[in-house]
Amino acid sequence: QKEVEQNSGPLSVPEGAIASLNCTYSDRGSQSFFWYRQYSGKSPELIMSIYSNGDKEDGRFTAQLNKASQYVSLLIRDSQPSDSATYLCAVTPSGGSYIPTFGRGTSLIVHP
Amino acid sequence: DVKVTQSSRYLVKRTGEKVFLECVQDMDHENMFWYRQDPGLGLRLIYFSYDVKMKEKGDIPEGYSVSREKKERFSLILESASTNQTSMYLCASSVAFGELFFGEGSRLTVL
Repeated sequence: QKEVEQNSGPLSVPEGAIASLNCTYSDRGSQSFFWYRQYSGKSPELIMSIYSNGDKEDGRFTAQLNKASQYVSLLIRDSQPSDSATYLCAVTPSGGSYIPTFGRGTSLIVHP
Repeated sequence: DVKVTQSSRYLVKRTGEKVFLECVQDMDHENMFWYRQDPGLGLRLIYFSYDVKMKEKGDIPEGYSVSREKKERFSLILESASTNQTSMYLCASSVAFGELFFGEGSRLTVL
């Protein structure tokens, strides 16, 4: 069973701080990695994708991938209360499958 | 922007009823998915389809069936609804590489 693990949280950070969300995965051959944001009562929305080792930045968001250690992280700089949501990590397994395995998500609370 | 539309946001059904959940996407995506999401259990894949009339079972297909007669439409069918099928149902579509676009969800309550 290929697994994607996330700390359920909640992770609580003050407004303006850096929020760091982490995810580990079991399938060493995984190819593609995604972060989804899900507001309470809403559906998941793709916010970042990363395919190679290193960092990928998009505005206040940075995704970091380390395939050797089998983890992927999401950094949110200058956190805002509007960032409060559950963040889902998703990993596409090896073998060419396009079906991602989702973690159960980390709840982030940004307090003013 | 990709738009995935689910026909019903909220449904209340009785045990034993047949339930249809419909999903339409407007981006000509090959792949479509049905998930259910329950507190503490995360997203669980029920069925997916990679082409018209093609379907594959996901992790929890029992009690469900699907239909994909047209590329843009993917329907989830509960033949005889049960209380343990009370959940949030999410439809999604994608091209390759796993970037899913979700609909707004259908919250089903089975009494």
